[in-house]
Amino acid sequence: DTAVSQTPKYLVTQMGNDKSIKCEQNLGHDTMYWYKQDSKKFLKIMFSYNNKELIINETVPNRFSPKSPDKAHLNLHINSLELGDSAVYFCASRDRGYNSPLHFGNGTRLTVT
Amino acid sequence: GDSVVQTEGQVLPSEGDSLIVNCSYETTQYPSLFWYVQYPGEGPQLHLKAMKANDKGRNKGFEAMYRKETTSFHLEKDSVQESDSAVYFCAFPRGGSGNTGKLIFGQGTTLQVKP
Repeated sequence: DTAVSQTPKYLVTQMGNDKSIKCEQNLGHDTMYWYKQDSKKFLKIMFSYNNKELIINETVPNRFSPKSPDKAHLNLHINSLELGDSAVYFCASRDRGYNSPLHFGNGTRLTVT
Repeated sequence: GDSVVQTEGQVLPSEGDSLIVNCSYETTQYPSLFWYVQYPGEGPQLHLKAMKANDKGRNKGFEAMYRKETTSFHLEKDSVQESDSAVYFCAFPRGGSGNTGKLIFGQGTTLQVKP
């Protein structure tokens, strides 16, 4: 009965490769997000989709491309991976309403060598 | 602009010590306030919340009072346990039209309780 699930949990790859991370939520939420957490634990929003429509794009390099095939899924594709992309990436979803909390997945640890 | 500043870095109390993790927020809006907790290997999860001024959020012995006059939402606990060790984030939503809002997070405070 996992609420927000993302795969894979770990991803190790070489510079220059292309990789994808998948996310699914079964909470019925309309809005989904991708966050990046660096080694100092700082959480930075990358993208947000509301009912398959991109609504937030926080000056992320265009090597990162989110895709939302339906409102329960939000995938993240990364082209030409760089060392600085190494981080933990979290998917999250949120119900309607200004004060609704975020529900996070357990993260994907990406290591670029 | 909208921002959150909280106790920086690591806090290293011993089991049974009292705890305060400071959180100060800045915004022109009147948002709810949240504390999120992140245990090792997991995503952040909502720990407690307060919807309006003078509300007190409570969970697992932790408390935080929404103080609008000082724009603060400090996290407190009388007696910490080793199992409380985690990263704690203070946050509030920044609204937008429709559901375009997002959460503004503080930089995180790592609590490591010594046995």
